[in-house]
Amino acid sequence: SQTIHQWPATLVQPVGSPLSLECTVEGTSNPNLYWYRQAAGRGLQLLFYSVGIGQISSEVPQNLSASRPQDRQFILSSKKLLLSDSGFYLCAWSVDRGNQPQHFGDGTRLSIL
Amino acid sequence: AQSVTQLDSHVSVSEGTPVLLRCNYSSSYSPSLFWYVQHPNKGLQLLLKYTSAATLVKGINGFEAEFKKSETSFHLTKPSAHMSDAAEYFCVVSEDSSNTGKLIFGQGTTLQVKP
Repeated sequence: SQTIHQWPATLVQPVGSPLSLECTVEGTSNPNLYWYRQAAGRGLQLLFYSVGIGQISSEVPQNLSASRPQDRQFILSSKKLLLSDSGFYLCAWSVDRGNQPQHFGDGTRLSIL
Repeated sequence: AQSVTQLDSHVSVSEGTPVLLRCNYSSSYSPSLFWYVQHPNKGLQLLLKYTSAATLVKGINGFEAEFKKSETSFHLTKPSAHMSDAAEYFCVVSEDSSNTGKLIFGQGTTLQVKP
């Protein structure tokens, strides 16, 4: 069966520090991969998605970037964190065709001080 | 363009009573629709999905939803609420049929279950 791993579960970082969140999927190949951010008490905002290695689409301009160095690995990064980057970050995967559900990791709670 | 509206931001029920979470959608093609549940500080878990097969969809934990094209609705129901059902629920529609697999999420409904 397929599983998705996301770490760390919680992270506290100072303003201006770098960020690297990692997400890996097991049990499937060539998945679509997604990064979302969820602000407190609000819905999900799609940040990036990827349909293949090295293929990244950004949904909103921001202080973050994403990379997909391997088929089942998706990384969310920042060179310098802002206070506004605080939130709950979720990684998800789906099979590589339309109209399919996405499957989510357990999320990373990022607090910027 | 596709969109989804969850008609209630907060629903409160007593344990053992029925649950109804309302969702309307707008789509320019035959969409797939999903309901997800999110417990505090957790990821989203898929409850059920509609993908143009049977209009009454049964999901996990006793939940079900009915796709009504004439009403453009996809309401989530459960006959008897349990304390463990207290969570955030999201109605979701597929953005399109392309291979990007992008989804459009409603703003969520918080379900409170009182003892």
